[in-house]
Amino acid sequence: AQSVTQPDIHITVSEGASLELRCNYSYGATPYLFWYVQSPGQGLQLLLKYFSGDTLVQGIKGFEAEFKRSQSSFNLRKPSVHWSDAAEYFCAVGGYNKLIFGAGTRLAVHP
Amino acid sequence: KAGVTQTPRYLIKTRGQQVTLSCSPISGHRSVSWYQQTPGQGLQFLFEYFSETQRNKGNFPGRFSGRQFSNSRSEMNVSTLELGDSALYLCASSFGEAETQYFGPGTRLLVL
Repeated sequence: AQSVTQPDIHITVSEGASLELRCNYSYGATPYLFWYVQSPGQGLQLLLKYFSGDTLVQGIKGFEAEFKRSQSSFNLRKPSVHWSDAAEYFCAVGGYNKLIFGAGTRLAVHP
Repeated sequence: KAGVTQTPRYLIKTRGQQVTLSCSPISGHRSVSWYQQTPGQGLQFLFEYFSETQRNKGNFPGRFSGRQFSNSRSEMNVSTLELGDSALYLCASSFGEAETQYFGPGTRLLVL
C-alpha cells in the first residue's frame, strides 16, 4: 500500500539551530516526492520536490531534502532555523496529480 | 501570475444541506485536484479533473462530487452534509500529469 510516515508529530528547536524532519514512504513505482509547509489557517506552500536526477534537492527558504532510495526516505533539512519557520510541514508522495500526505510535523521555534 | 483561488473562504451549513465550493486554477493549468483536511484524518485526496474529465477518485462516499468546466475552473459539491464533513477543503492545480501541484488557500466548511 502507498503511504507516507512522518514519525515526529511535534518538534521544538531553538532559533538558529539546525533542523531535520523525517519522512519515509511506501510507493510501488518511482516516486515523486514533495515537501509542503502550512501556516495556521492557510493553504499549502511547496518547499521543494524530487522527480528524478540529483538526490539532494534545494528548495525555498533555505530548505533542502535528500532522497535515499535504499531507505525509502526523503528527509527535510535546514541548517539554521528562523522564528518564521514555525508551521506544519507535510511530506507527500505521488504521481498523476494524486498526492498521499503524511500526518505532518508541527514545528515550534524557541527564541 | 495569480495563484489558485477558492471561494468562498468560509462556510457554515447545517446537517442535511448541500454545499458547492469553487476553485479557479492558475492560468494555463488544466488539472485540478481536491483534498479534504481534518484534524483526525489529515490530508486526503478527493478527486482530480483534467480537461473536464475525472481521472482519479479517492475513497469518499458518493455524496462528494465534482466537475470541471472548459476554462479549467472546478467545483465540488457535497450533498446531505454530515457533521464529519467539517473540514478545510483544498484545491490544487497543475499544468498536466506528473507536474507540481500548487494549492489554494482552502475553503473552511463548518457543519452544525
